[in-house]
Amino acid sequence: QVQLQQWGAGLLKPSETLSLTCTVYGGSFSDNDWNWIRQPPGKGLEWIGEINHNGSTNSNPSLKSRLTVSVDTSKNQFSLKLRSVTAADTAVYYCARRKKGSPFDCWSQGSLVTVSS
Amino acid sequence: IQLTQSPSLLSASVGDRVTITCRASQGINSSLAWYQRKPGKAPNLLIFPASTVQTGVPSRFSGSGSGREFTLTINSLQPEDFATYFCQQLNSYPITFGQGTRLEIK
Repeated sequence: QVQLQQWGAGLLKPSETLSLTCTVYGGSFSDNDWNWIRQPPGKGLEWIGEINHNGSTNSNPSLKSRLTVSVDTSKNQFSLKLRSVTAADTAVYYCARRKKGSPFDCWSQGSLVTVSS
Repeated sequence: IQLTQSPSLLSASVGDRVTITCRASQGINSSLAWYQRKPGKAPNLLIFPASTVQTGVPSRFSGSGSGREFTLTINSLQPEDFATYFCQQLNSYPITFGQGTRLEIK
């Protein structure tokens, strides 16, 4: 049974860097792509970006300039850093797994990140 | 690629048949997924590609469409089906989602 567990700070001030890490328990780390998704309050889901075990990434152009997605295969972890956050970055953030070309078949429970002064 | 999902809210009764529509701003072949999400739980993949029901998903769920217009149909609604449903396109980056349809008990 694959599980994705994420952690990171839940409250940030404007201009700070959002940092989340997702650990993968079970399954193959190298056979999948690892994704970040978010959902602002009252809005729909937004795909943030993805990375594979080799460190190859794809990201949403709307966030690309502020975004870093990285991977640590030795720990079966991948991470998200989003710089210069504003209140618009307040959202529930999820990590998720998929194979290339396929949808997400495993999601984390999600964590709320609030940006407020 | 924008996905427009309708309706945003759907009221129905146990035993009803309901249909949710997802329209893409441009053609996406059959590269569309449907998910179900319940409060406090991770989304559950129901259908991908457009008309292929995933293993373990009840047969009352079905999907159809290709190109720009897609539908999710649930036959004979069960109490556990009242949830939020959303579509997702995987034809091209960035991956995008529909706004979601909340299916509530009438």
